Amino acid sequence: AQSVSQHNHHVILSEAASLELGCNYSYGGTVNLFWYVQYPGQHLQLLLKYFSGDPLVKGIKGFEAEFIKSKFSFNLRKPSVQWSDTAEYFCAVKEAAGNKLTFGGGTRVLVKP
Amino acid sequence: KAGVTQTPRYLIKTRGQQVTLSCSPISGHRSVSWYQQTPGQGLQFLFEYFSETQRNKGNFPGRFSGRQFSNSRSEMNVSTLELGDSALYLCASSSTQGESAEQYFGPGTRLTVT
Repeated sequence: AQSVSQHNHHVILSEAASLELGCNYSYGGTVNLFWYVQYPGQHLQLLLKYFSGDPLVKGIKGFEAEFIKSKFSFNLRKPSVQWSDTAEYFCAVKEAAGNKLTFGGGTRVLVKP
Repeated sequence: KAGVTQTPRYLIKTRGQQVTLSCSPISGHRSVSWYQQTPGQGLQFLFEYFSETQRNKGNFPGRFSGRQFSNSRSEMNVSTLELGDSALYLCASSSTQGESAEQYFGPGTRLTVT
């Protein structure tokens, strides 16, 4: 069975700091990888996705993620965070066949103004 | 295009009762998946429907069931509610199934069981 782990449960940053959130998964087959964000009081939104090709993917709001197949990792990065990036971030993995998403436990990010 | 809609948004039920939640996918989307979100267990997959057929099921008891209609709208039902069923139930829709499928989530139904 798949599992997804996110390294940090809580992260506190100041504005303009860089952000990196770790995500590792366990599954030997072909996977699709996602990062979702849940802003306070809002629903889950897709930040970015990796299906194939260039392992460095860019998403919305200046976020990017790098897929390292040998490490089973898909880490999320943003060079300079803003107060509005305060949210919970979820890494998710999907087998290439089917639509079942397996989520990590989430990381709550608080950006101090 | 309208997003995924879920009704009702909030629900309070008593232990032992049953509940039905509804999800309308994005127009043209044929796949609907359901997830349960709780502080303790996080986001867990319940089941997925595609073209009215259940394609995948998570590790939940048989009290949790679902169905999909010909217009792709989906309902999930929980019978004999338990306190532990209190959660945010999320619906996600996708235009396809499998490789390169992206899922879009609705706002959820907040179920409280007392």
